Amino acid sequence: AQSVTQLDSQVPVFEEAPVELRCNYSSSVSVYLFWYVQYPNQGLQLLLKYLSGSTLVKGINGFEAEFNKSQTSFHLRKPSVHISDTAEYFCAVSDQRNTPLVFGKGTRLSVIA
Amino acid sequence: DTAVSQTPKYLVTQMGNDKSIKCEQNLGHDTMYWYKQDSKKFLKIMFSYNNKELIINETVPNRFSPKSPDKAHLNLHINSLELGDSAVYFCASSFHGEETQYFGPGTRLLVL
Repeated sequence: AQSVTQLDSQVPVFEEAPVELRCNYSSSVSVYLFWYVQYPNQGLQLLLKYLSGSTLVKGINGFEAEFNKSQTSFHLRKPSVHISDTAEYFCAVSDQRNTPLVFGKGTRLSVIA
Repeated sequence: DTAVSQTPKYLVTQMGNDKSIKCEQNLGHDTMYWYKQDSKKFLKIMFSYNNKELIINETVPNRFSPKSPDKAHLNLHINSLELGDSAVYFCASSFHGEETQYFGPGTRLLVL
């Protein structure tokens, strides 16, 4: 069964600084990878996804992620964070279409003014 | 024009009660899911329906019973609520042949 590890439960960062949120998944023949964001007391919003093709994926709000098959990683990055990026970020994986997502435990990003 | 909606958004109830949470999607999707997010923010699949038929049922107590009257709706009925059922329940949907799931806003259930 698939599994996802988000190595950092909390990441504090100063406003306008760069950030990287780490995600590793258990290996499979093929995977679909996702990052979702959950703002306080809200639902999950899709940030970006990797299905196939280019390993560098760009998403909304200036975020991007890079799929690294050899390291089984899908780290999320942003070159300059804003206060409004404060939220919980979830990495998720599935190995087939229309199968439930397996989520990591989330990383709480706190942006400090 | 909400894509995936859930009602109610908040639900506070006593132990032992029976309650239902409703989910509707207007995306034309044919697969729907229920996820549970516990107090530590961990998200886990509960059920998955495709074309109104149950295809995945994770280890969930029998007190939880999903019902899908049509492809656009997936409701969750919970009998004899327990303190441990307190959580946020998310509905999601996807289209057969596509990988992306779209989530509802969540229902925050508190059992007293």
